[in-house]
Amino acid sequence: AQSVTQPDIHITVSEGASLELRCNYSYGATPYLFWYVQSPGQGLQLLLKYFSGDTLVQGIKGFEAEFKRSQSSFNLRKPSVHWSDAAEYFCAVGDVDYKLSFGAGTTVTVRA
Amino acid sequence: EAGVVQSPRYKIIEKKQPVAFWCNPISGHNTLYWYLQNLGQGPELLIRYENEEAVDDSQLPKDRFSAERLKGVDSTLKIQPAELGDSAVYLCASSWTADTEAFFGQGTRLTVV
Repeated sequence: AQSVTQPDIHITVSEGASLELRCNYSYGATPYLFWYVQSPGQGLQLLLKYFSGDTLVQGIKGFEAEFKRSQSSFNLRKPSVHWSDAAEYFCAVGDVDYKLSFGAGTTVTVRA
Repeated sequence: EAGVVQSPRYKIIEKKQPVAFWCNPISGHNTLYWYLQNLGQGPELLIRYENEEAVDDSQLPKDRFSAERLKGVDSTLKIQPAELGDSAVYLCASSWTADTEAFFGQGTRLTVV
């Protein structure tokens, strides 16, 4: 069965600084990988996804993620965070039936 | 175009009472999902529909939970009777097909007292 680990429960970053959120997955085959963002009181919004091809994936809102098979990782990055990036971020892995397994999430706080 | 609409947004009930949640997916989306999100956790799939057929309900606690998607459009999720441990956010999502992006509703926050 697939699983996702997000090692960081909470990250605080200064506005304008770079952000990296870690995600490690466990899956026997080539995974489908996703990053979602959830703002307070809102549903989840897809930031980006990886199915195959280029291991560096560009998403919305200036986010990108890199798939590293050797490390079973799919870390999310943003070069310069904005106050509006404060939210909870979920990494997910999908199987061949596109059934998603989510990590526990990382809460990002942005300080002025 | 409207997104996935869920109601109610919040619900407080006493334990042992029944409760129902409603979801209206994006028009034309064939696949509909119900997820459970406990505090501090990621969403967990409860059930997935392809049109009106439940194709994956392996994680749905069938002793107290039920769901339906009549006519392959709107869906309801019911809990009867509710327990204290059912307090969580219930998310509905929809997609064109199972292999396309899923769009999530804002969720229903259930508190059982």
